[in-house]
Amino acid sequence: EAGVVQSPRYKIIEKKQPVAFWCNPISGHNTLYWYRQNLGQGPELLIRYENEEAVDDSQLPKDRFSAERLKGVDSTLKIQPAELGDSAVYLCASSPGGAISYNEQFFGPGTRLTVL
Amino acid sequence: LAKTTQPISMDSYEGQEVNITCSHNNIATNDYITWYQQFPSQGPRFIIQGYKTKVTNEVASLFIPADRKSSTLSLPRVSLSDTAVYYCLVGFTGRRALTFGSGTRLQVQP
Repeated sequence: EAGVVQSPRYKIIEKKQPVAFWCNPISGHNTLYWYRQNLGQGPELLIRYENEEAVDDSQLPKDRFSAERLKGVDSTLKIQPAELGDSAVYLCASSPGGAISYNEQFFGPGTRLTVL
Repeated sequence: LAKTTQPISMDSYEGQEVNITCSHNNIATNDYITWYQQFPSQGPRFIIQGYKTKVTNEVASLFIPADRKSSTLSLPRVSLSDTAVYYCLVGFTGRRALTFGSGTRLQVQP
């Protein structure tokens, strides 16, 4: 079974430029998460989708970050414009859905963003 | 969401048993305890989950006392490949998210 796929794996941009990350979750997983992980810290949730609905986006900086999950499958996370402090690893995860299974999330390898 | 406290780092040697304890004093009745492992340049990986008493799988054991205010992840006979960061999470997501802390950095030496 294929895992969570993310692309690109690495991205280097200059500040004020836009950037987008793509995630393809495990087939059949209804719940999709985007996390940001700064160096030496645990992942921080940005947004969670149940199918195509964003059910928890309280930690998403909405002035510059946006996300979408069309048709409840793939998802894209965008930053526009990027700032120096956005340098981090952006992780996508998915889970099958259902209350207890929320705790078992399957993570992709992440996209390492460097903003210069 | 229940806040968790775990040691920042631990050192061990190959073949030893490692126990990582996590404190979660304000755990709620519906909360489960979940542990993840993360290697450098990879996303976290689910290890084990439990509600009470003891849970064991092929990778680890999870011990949860009756008051559930703490839990201990036990890794039997660690190897160099167990060097990673281990996260303790507490919650019952429903329509809320789990929160990762800073984790415990385990270093296994030969």
